This record gives sequence, C-alpha cells and structure tokens, in this order.
Amino acid sequence: DAGVTQSPTHLIKTRGQQVTLRCSPKSGHDTVSWYQQALGQGPQFIFQYYEEEERQRGNFPDRFSGHQFPNYSSELNVNALLLGDSALYLCASSLIGDQHRGTGELFFGEGSRLTVL
Amino acid sequence: GESVGLHLPTLSVQEGDNSIINCAYSNSASDYFIWYKQESGKGPQFIIDIRSNMDKRQGQRVTVLLNKTVKHLSLQIAATQPGDSAVYFCAENRGGKLIFGQGTELSVKP
Repeated sequence: DAGVTQSPTHLIKTRGQQVTLRCSPKSGHDTVSWYQQALGQGPQFIFQYYEEEERQRGNFPDRFSGHQFPNYSSELNVNALLLGDSALYLCASSLIGDQHRGTGELFFGEGSRLTVL
Repeated sequence: GESVGLHLPTLSVQEGDNSIINCAYSNSASDYFIWYKQESGKGPQFIIDIRSNMDKRQGQRVTVLLNKTVKHLSLQIAATQPGDSAVYFCAENRGGKLIFGQGTELSVKP
C-alpha cells in the first residue's frame, strides 16, 4: 500500500519562472492538502482539494494555484517565483469523511524541496 | 492573531531519560490537537492526537497532556532513544486544516 508520493524531490528555479509539483495520495484517500515549510519553521497550509475543487485556502497569493484530478492526485503550481518561495512543499492526504468527523490522521509525503535563485 | 506555539526551540536529553515538549495555543475554541515528528529530510509523521474532551492520552512510550485552563499541551516521551531525535510539532486540526507551531528539535545524547 503506497503512501503519499511527491515529485520531484528537489528542483531549482530562477526568479520569475513557474513550477509544478505533483502529489499522489495514499491509496483510498480522496482529499489532498498542500503545505509550505520554510527552513526552521512549521508547515503553513496553502490549500486543500476535494472532488477536484479547492475547498479551503490559507493566506497565500493567487500565484499559488492547484488542481486535483479524477484519480485524486494533485498538482501545485506557483507562478512568478520569488526568492521567498524557496521551501519544502508538502502534500498530505486524508479522507473527507474522517475530516468531517474530526478523526483520522493526515498522511504526509516526503516533500518537494524548491530552491529559487 | 491566533497561533500555536512552542516554548523552546531545542531540547537535549540523555538516552533513557524522559523528554517533555511543551506547546501553547491561543484559541480557546480549539478542540483537536496533534503531535507530529519530523525527521531530517522527511515529511511530518503522526505521533498522537487529543481532543478537548480529554486531559490525557497515552500511546506507546508517549503521553499527551492537555490543560485547557491555561491553553497548554505537552508531549512526554518515556525512555528517550536515539531514534527519537527529530523536530516535534504540535498542530491544531481545524476541520482538516492543520495549524502548526514552529517546532522543537529534540537531540538525544548517548
């Protein structure tokens, strides 16, 4: 049973470029959330997708966008990259039913480390 | 604004000793907390959770205590082992959205 998988694991971009990160949720999960983790900080919630729609969003600009596909996998897109976007981007999956009941855990992937030069 | 924070950024303990990691929160309406362990180069891993209708919950070698009066929770690790070395985060689960603190780095000395 595969856990949450993310790709790529590392990537380097320059300011102004665009990046796409990918996530496959844990088998059986239907909800994907994305987090940004700057060095030495706790993860910050970006947004959550369920049924191919953005359901919740954190305090991130519109440069951050996402998508969820019918197979529940998800992409995070960041446009017009800034130096401050350098971070570890984490994907977490869960079941919406568990979420509504306030039970169950979120499973995190190993993350995609983005460096913006 | 509302936040979840930790008292100390680093904690060093001797192997075999007990570890206590503390966390404070500001929102009195918060009702579901989770502790995560993050090893270097990995994603956060669920350790234990607790809801506001409980004061204490125990797992394998770990105990979480919740004091709603002072809005404080703690993670106790018994007989700390080298494999426990990691950054520990407390997080509040708000309807599936996790609000993390900054983390405490636990170092275990042999």
